[in-house]
Amino acid sequence: GAVVSQHPSWVICKSGTSVKIECRSLDFQATTMFWYRQFPKQSLMLMATSNEGSKATYEQGVEKDKFLINHASLTLSTLTVTSAHPEDSSFYICSARGRILAGVVEQFFGPGTRLTVL
Amino acid sequence: AQKVTQAQTEISVVEKEDVTLDCVYETRDTTYYLFWYKQPPSGELVFLIRRNSFDEQNEISGRYSWNFQKSTSSFNFTITASQVVDSAVYFCALSSTSGAGSYQLTFGKGTKLSVIP
Repeated sequence: GAVVSQHPSWVICKSGTSVKIECRSLDFQATTMFWYRQFPKQSLMLMATSNEGSKATYEQGVEKDKFLINHASLTLSTLTVTSAHPEDSSFYICSARGRILAGVVEQFFGPGTRLTVL
Repeated sequence: AQKVTQAQTEISVVEKEDVTLDCVYETRDTTYYLFWYKQPPSGELVFLIRRNSFDEQNEISGRYSWNFQKSTSSFNFTITASQVVDSAVYFCALSSTSGAGSYQLTFGKGTKLSVIP
């Protein structure tokens, strides 16, 4: 079946550094990718929606200059957390939506990336 | 605005008991999707079911069953003869199918299920 991968699966970084998280659709073209954030013991909250070739749409309260999203191809979207701080420590999950079979559009979640900022 | 409410924060059951996880949703859309996901401690979301708002038939898949009641805006999930491996956090989610924000998932807060051997 269709698979979405994320890299890295976990990352630890120092405060003030930037971290890039990749989300790839492995066997289908993702016209839309979603980025979610999940704090410990909480639900998933949508951060932004990105369509291939266009700027991402951010949810209210999400700083676009801090969370840079690039969806340069139909199989890759990246989320860069700039100047990360401990409060950015979270589980980041991407979801890719695209056509996997003729006439069938599906949406799949990646396995998530756990970011810890020291 | 869309909203998903999972009133049960945590549930503990003894193995082999049946358990029902409640989900109530709010939406102004006439067409929408409802989902259930399982999130084990590893964190990866496991897709369980997607239900189109036009399809009110209940569904059974092995020990899992879902009861969709459009009249009460509920989409409840029952696990029959629970097992320890069912221990996880379960999320109910909702997405619209058209317009701005389509296919974005709105998640409930989740229900943590603990199955005690």
